[in-house]
Amino acid sequence: GDSVTQMEGPVTLSEEAFLTINCTYTATGYPSLFWYVQYPGEGLQLLLKATKADDKGSNKGFEATYRKETTSFHLEKGSVQVSDSAVYFCALTMGSGGSNYKLTFGKGTLLTVNP
Amino acid sequence: NAGVTQTPKFQVLKTGQSMTLQCAQDMNHEYMSWYRQDPGMGLRLIHYSVGAGITDQGEVPNGYNVSRSTTEDFPLRLLSAAPSQTSVYFCASSPGPAKNGYTFGSGTRLTVV
Repeated sequence: GDSVTQMEGPVTLSEEAFLTINCTYTATGYPSLFWYVQYPGEGLQLLLKATKADDKGSNKGFEATYRKETTSFHLEKGSVQVSDSAVYFCALTMGSGGSNYKLTFGKGTLLTVNP
Repeated sequence: NAGVTQTPKFQVLKTGQSMTLQCAQDMNHEYMSWYRQDPGMGLRLIHYSVGAGITDQGEVPNGYNVSRSTTEDFPLRLLSAAPSQTSVYFCASSPGPAKNGYTFGSGTRLTVV
């Protein structure tokens, strides 16, 4: 079945450091890919998305590019802030046909940014 | 817009008790889902609905029931609570998951003692 694998945390960085959180997927078709962020005590918020190969999703300084050849959707940010401390989830859903009703999530990566 | 509203935010149940977690959305979304979040396991799908009157099971449906009598509401019922159901529960809705992903509520933290 469909699955998402993301790098295990926790990840600890200093403010203004470069961030990469790796995400790879397995799917039988052409999924849509998402990054969600969860701040402490809150629900999940959609951070960015890409719905087809080579799309780049971006939001709040975060970016991720849908790479079909490597089945990857790595999250990057050039300069992290303390306020970016959160858990980040990579997720996929299938397009038309298949399991297009559900999100399949990775296990999450805890990011802590120190001042 | 209120988005996705979940109530209650916190609940403690005794083993064997039943309860209903409420979920309402005001965005006229057809798709709604319930997930549970447990440490180290990410989010797992309990039940989902693709429209009023249509529901189906997800990955971990045992011990839970749902119904979807209106587009807005998607309650989750725990039939006889067990300690294994201690978790954080999230309701989510979407107009079309492939293009839009899901919008999540703020969650219900449930403890079964």
